[in-house]
Amino acid sequence: ETGVTQTPRHLVMGMTNKKSLKCEQHLGHNAMYWYKQSAKKPLELMFVYSLEERVENNSVPSRFSPECPNSSHLFLHLHTLQPEDSALYLCASSQDHQANYGYTFGSGTRLTVV
Amino acid sequence: AQKITQTQPGMFVQEKEAVTLDCTYDTSDPSYGLFWYKQPSSGEMIFLIYQGSYDQQNATEGRYSLNFQKARKSANLVISASQLGDSAMYFCAMREGLYTGGFKTIFGAGTRLFVKA
Repeated sequence: ETGVTQTPRHLVMGMTNKKSLKCEQHLGHNAMYWYKQSAKKPLELMFVYSLEERVENNSVPSRFSPECPNSSHLFLHLHTLQPEDSALYLCASSQDHQANYGYTFGSGTRLTVV
Repeated sequence: AQKITQTQPGMFVQEKEAVTLDCTYDTSDPSYGLFWYKQPSSGEMIFLIYQGSYDQQNATEGRYSLNFQKARKSANLVISASQLGDSAMYFCAMREGLYTGGFKTIFGAGTRLFVKA
């Protein structure tokens, strides 16, 4: 059981749907991240939150909308997605000033857009 | 520009032998961290080992060691005494601005390791 929990594990949605991905950590970390992992491509950083403030937004389309209501929870709201958005979405957390511990990742949400 | 390069899409190793997974990186920042992660077929990314740019010694964690050659900008992962459970994707990653608030960790394309019985 990882310290970072992502739900749902699998999601199939139509292009007109609205859905949300949820990430939860109780490790006491103060930074959280969304990554996208597509087939045959390196992991792509999407969003970074530090102390509940967004500090990085990597030119992600507006159909992806992050939300960090507190240091333990991170959401990724999805609407009017495209088939090319199908991927594994990974959430991670870290303690900002303890880089040597790396990130703790969740198991991911496998998203399929039909 | 590609900042993390893993040139081996796939590697095979016999069980109980050692294997080296290559990683080169590119940065002009003097303070950075290098990481290796393992991703089994279940999808979860597992942090394995860390090397700071100012660290004098190569990092080791159990059967994992990092062969850090700063001048060559390489950070190869060595797995000793391979086990069947080591079969997975392995990602090299780098975080720049380690001591100046850098938040971004970027990943290489990964190397798939197959351990043969």
